[in-house]
Amino acid sequence: QQQVKQSPQSLIVQKGGISIINCAYENTAFDYFPWYQQFPGKGPALLIAIRPDVSEKKEGRFTISFNKSAKQFSLHIMDSQPGDSATYFCAATNIGAGSYQLTFGKGTKLSVIP
Amino acid sequence: KAGVTQTPRYLIKTRGQQVTLSCSPISGHRSVSWYQQTPGQGLQFLFEYFSETQRNKGNFPGRFSGRQFSNSRSEMNVSTLELGDSALYLCASSFSGTTHGYTFGSGTRLTVV
Repeated sequence: QQQVKQSPQSLIVQKGGISIINCAYENTAFDYFPWYQQFPGKGPALLIAIRPDVSEKKEGRFTISFNKSAKQFSLHIMDSQPGDSATYFCAATNIGAGSYQLTFGKGTKLSVIP
Repeated sequence: KAGVTQTPRYLIKTRGQQVTLSCSPISGHRSVSWYQQTPGQGLQFLFEYFSETQRNKGNFPGRFSGRQFSNSRSEMNVSTLELGDSALYLCASSFSGTTHGYTFGSGTRLTVV
């Protein structure tokens, strides 16, 4: 059972545009939602994360929007750059219950074209 | 500060063989987690170790096992390899063991032929 559904699978955005990736989760016990960025040949790297007590978190050009009632969260990349071309994964976990594992979405391959 | 080191980077094994992968966490990190990454299933949790104890295990067959040493280095072993075990195996370490401070290594690419 896939507990975190991510869309789209792939995304092509013009340089300077906004990239939007969406995730939906089923387990209401999840209380920590990170996004990871992965370049070819590398492991995932934490980009930004949010807790469900806030609706939005911004770090530079990256923003997470969180909708607790809809059980959805999304990543917005403003002013997208070719260097942002990578695969992005949303994830979720229940830190409050002492969970030591992340449940990942299946990833979105972002291509930013000049 | 050195990152998470996984060895080897690439491995080719024959079906039925066994394989051992190694992970050296960031200095001071006591928790090591393992994930399997495949194009079809994405990133799936294998197991997590903290101070040499396995605290959590994912939904994988018993052919997948692991251990952690007193210096926090970890190994995972896959016995009786199947073609479907071909994947990128990622190790992540953190200080406290929570997923907050996860740092991933670059992985070991295992190909089973």
